[in-house]
Amino acid sequence: GENVEQHPSTLSVQEGDSAVIKCTYSDSASNYFPWYKQELGKRPQLIIDIRSNVGEKKDQRIAVTLNKTAKHFSLHITETQPEDSAVYFCAASKTSGTYKYIFGTGTRLKVLA
Amino acid sequence: EPEVTQTPSHQVTQMGQEVILRCVPISNHLYFYWYRQILGQKVEFLVSFYNNEISEKSEIFDDQFSVERPDGSNFTLKIRSTKLEDSAMYFCASIGMRDPRPGEQYFGPGTRLTVT
Repeated sequence: GENVEQHPSTLSVQEGDSAVIKCTYSDSASNYFPWYKQELGKRPQLIIDIRSNVGEKKDQRIAVTLNKTAKHFSLHITETQPEDSAVYFCAASKTSGTYKYIFGTGTRLKVLA
Repeated sequence: EPEVTQTPSHQVTQMGQEVILRCVPISNHLYFYWYRQILGQKVEFLVSFYNNEISEKSEIFDDQFSVERPDGSNFTLKIRSTKLEDSAMYFCASIGMRDPRPGEQYFGPGTRLTVT
């Protein structure tokens, strides 16, 4: 069935260090991979996304890489700041069907000042 | 910037009672979704809705659940007879279709449902 695995479940980094979160998806038809940030008690907010025709995308301190062959994609946050502390979810979606998201299990990132 | 809204923010109900969770998606969006998130767990797909009908539903979305778009703005999730395990945060989401490929879903703030 459709599944997205996400690791690690928790991640603590020192302020200024980099953080990497990894996801693996099972459905090879998936072609859209968003990353959402969820602060405590708030709605998930899109921070970056990538489509399957691209291997890497960057937006300031945030980047996402995609390896279609291995069905892996990763979120990279550089120069982390305390306000980056949140739960991050990866997801996978595909053109056929209903565009629903299959979410990963989430990573709680703590940036220590 | 337009946002998806949901009401109520928190609903407490007794087991066996019916609840209706309400959502107002972004006005020009065409696909609507309900997801749920049990405390500490991942966000799970429940149902998608397009062109006034369910387009896909998950195994979680059994006969106790129903969705409706009663007018041009509201999108509701009804749980007919709540169980303790229905306690979760329920998110509504919608997507515009400027692009035929999948894209960003806009999430509402969620309704926390507590079944006692």
